[in-house]
Amino acid sequence: GAVVSQHPSRVICKSGTSVKIECRSLDFQATTMFWYRQFPKQSLMLMATSNEGSKATYEQGVEKDKFLINHASLTLSTLTVTSAHPEDSSFYICSAGPVRGGSYEQYFGPGTRLTVT
Amino acid sequence: DAKTTQPTSMDCAEGRAANLPCNHSTISGNEYVYWYRQIHSQGPQYIIHGLKNNETNEMASLIITEDRKSSTLILPHATLRDTAVYYCIVVYGGATNKLIFGTGTLLAVQP
Repeated sequence: GAVVSQHPSRVICKSGTSVKIECRSLDFQATTMFWYRQFPKQSLMLMATSNEGSKATYEQGVEKDKFLINHASLTLSTLTVTSAHPEDSSFYICSAGPVRGGSYEQYFGPGTRLTVT
Repeated sequence: DAKTTQPTSMDCAEGRAANLPCNHSTISGNEYVYWYRQIHSQGPQYIIHGLKNNETNEMASLIITEDRKSSTLILPHATLRDTAVYYCIVVYGGATNKLIFGTGTLLAVQP
């Protein structure tokens, strides 16, 4: 099946710094990528939708200037958490889909655990 | 908001069938039912989806009622590795659109 990777898998950063998370579709081209956040013992919360070559669409309550999304190609999207604070500590997960010319399910990355100290 | 209702948790004996219900009484005609699962600290995994017909693949079967207001995901022979949170999600027009996750069902497969 289609594979999505994320890098890094875990990151610890200091308060006030910025962190970039990469999401790649390894063996397919995805027209759309999605970014989610998940706090402990909670469900996934959609943060934003990004389409290659256009600006991301953010969900209500998600600060677009804090969570910068760049979707440079059909296989790569990045999420940058700017001026990170401890409350930004969370599990960040991306998904990609649909597979161009293929099925319609979304494929998820393994997630990135961000800890802000 | 999620358009589905699922039980918070369920238990199943290893080797037995696991039947996970989902209510989606406000589903519209062009909305699909998707099932994903999330094993602890991993990204969600696609299981199966359907529109109105029952579907089966190598992982599971999906039974959708005739009125489409509810569905059941069936894992025919549950193993310990099937312990996960299972999410039933209603999606407009297929997965080209965003997935809104509800609280899901924590399935615990017991030895």
